[in-house]
This record gives sequence, C-alpha cells and structure tokens, in this order.
Amino acid sequence: EDQVTQSPEALRLQEGESSSLNCSYTVSGLRGLFWYRQDPGKGPEFLFTLYSAGEEKEKERLKATLTKKESFLHITAPKPEDSATYLCAVQADDYKLSFGAGTTVTVRA
Amino acid sequence: SQTIHQWPATLVQPVGSPLSLECTVEGTSNPNLYWYRQAAGRGLQLLFYSVGIGQISSEVPQNLSASRPQDRQFILSSKKLLLSDSGFYLCAWRTGEWEKLFFGSGTQLSVL
Repeated sequence: EDQVTQSPEALRLQEGESSSLNCSYTVSGLRGLFWYRQDPGKGPEFLFTLYSAGEEKEKERLKATLTKKESFLHITAPKPEDSATYLCAVQADDYKLSFGAGTTVTVRA
Repeated sequence: SQTIHQWPATLVQPVGSPLSLECTVEGTSNPNLYWYRQAAGRGLQLLFYSVGIGQISSEVPQNLSASRPQDRQFILSSKKLLLSDSGFYLCAWRTGEWEKLFFGSGTQLSVL
C-alpha cells in the first residue's frame, strides 16, 4: 500500500527563519509528487508537481526538491503570509493520489 | 479559465437526516471528478471518483453515495447521516488521470 509521511506535524518559525518540510513516500511506480498549500477552512491550492529524482521547482520563497524516497519543501526567509498547512501527495501507476497528513507552518512576525 | 464551485460552505445536520452536497466545474469538458473527506490531523481520504457521466467508483464502503448527472456536476449524498460523517468535504477535478488536482473551497459538515 502506498504511504506518504510528512514531518514535522507542526513548525513554528520566526519571520526570516528558513526551514524545510519533509515528505517521505513508499510507492510502486511514482508518476508524480504534488505539493499543495491549504489555508484554514479552505481547499488545497496547487503549488508544484515533481516527476523525477533530482527535479527542483521554485515559486517565490518556496522550493521543492525530489529524491527517490522523499521530497523537501524549503521555505526561504518566510513571512507571516506563508503560514498554512502544506500537503504532499504522490501518484502511482494506479493513478490514485495518496496524501500525507500535512505540516502546519506558523510564521511569527 | 476553469473554476470549481462547491456549496454549501458550512452545514450542520442532525443524525439520521439526509445530505446533498453539490459541486460544479466551469471552463472544461469531461473532467475527472473527485470527492474527498479530510479529518483533522489526517490526510485526505478519497471517497468517490468519476471519469464520465454516470460512472462512479467508490473507494470506501460507507453510507455515502455519489452521482454525476451532468458532465460537470458531481453530487455527494446520504440518506441518513451518522455522527462519523462529520468532516471537511472537498470536491476536486482534473483533466486527466495523471494531472494535478484542483480543489473546491470545501464544505464543513457537522453531524449532531
């Protein structure tokens, strides 16, 4: 069974304090790894798709990387508006998406 | 551009009452449609998906059902709600089975 584990569960950062979120996965035949941002009471918002080990994607202060067993979401010099829950999802050959439980990031001014 | 509408945003229902949540997608044709449930501290759980009108696949046995009466309309229903049906329900769509998902704004359902 496909498994996706995100760590840590919660992360409290000072504004400007860079950090990384981890998404480790076990899946047979990775077809893609997705990162989403979710604000409280809202639906997840798409951030990145990564397809192969070594791939990197960037958007503003966020950078996602992928290895054969995990993905990292790096937040550089975060601002309070980066506070959200970040979800990771993997897609295997059976086209089903498996989601992790998420990492809740709180950035204090 | 494509948009997804999901309503209502919040719903409080008594145990044993029926349920109907609706989702519509605009700006695309023949989307793959999904219903997810999200419990606090847990990952999104896939409930139903549909690749076409009248085609529904169920992932989890439960007292919920789904229907797709039109190409861009997806409905989640229950005849009698249970306390365990409480949660945050999300509708989502994508153009194909390997593409990224786009989510609606969600419905917070409380069964009391």
